[in-house]
Amino acid sequence: EPEVTQTPSHQVTQMGQEVILRCVPISNHLYFYWYRQILGQKVEFLVSFYNNEISEKSEIFDDQFSVERPDGSNFTLKIRSTKLEDSAMYFCASRTGRQEQYFGPGTRLTVT
Amino acid sequence: RKEVEQDPGPFNVPEGATVAFNCTYSNSASQSFFWYRQDCRKEPKLLMSVYSSGNEDGRFTAQLNRASQYISLLIRDSKLSDSATYLCVVNKPARGSARQLTFGSGTQLTVLP
Repeated sequence: EPEVTQTPSHQVTQMGQEVILRCVPISNHLYFYWYRQILGQKVEFLVSFYNNEISEKSEIFDDQFSVERPDGSNFTLKIRSTKLEDSAMYFCASRTGRQEQYFGPGTRLTVT
Repeated sequence: RKEVEQDPGPFNVPEGATVAFNCTYSNSASQSFFWYRQDCRKEPKLLMSVYSSGNEDGRFTAQLNRASQYISLLIRDSKLSDSATYLCVVNKPARGSARQLTFGSGTQLTVLP
């Protein structure tokens, strides 16, 4: 069964550094998403991406964040200058034209 | 009022028990509803979608009451492997077609031997 994959599984970085989180959505999916979950809190929407552009973004997704789909398979989230409060699990999700979203295993980002 | 509200639990039930989770949502324009399960430090996994008047999948039954903005999940004959956090998730209406999901905080279930 096709799955969303994410790399790396765990990323440790120092405050102020740039990180790129990578996702490979399910191949025939059209819509792509990033969510995050701070430890002990609920899953929060960051951004949605469709037809090679951002469809929506939340208040969390400020100028420090960007997304790209550089080729036909990868979908990346870049955080330009990480802060301590960016420490969280970051989940990529994708879907077809139906509404059900399928999540990748996540990248645990630790900012020290 | 929270966008999606759930009883956080925890629910501790013996194997074989029936357990029910409830959820309310605030945006009456929401159109799609889901239950996901999340194991500790793992990704949310789609358990079932809830459309129109609800649906059943094996031991799991989901109900939707649009008038009350209320969703429920019933688990019958619970198994040890059902132990997880159950997330009530609502598709947020938005411009365009790329709907975002709004998650509840989850209800923790532990099934005891």
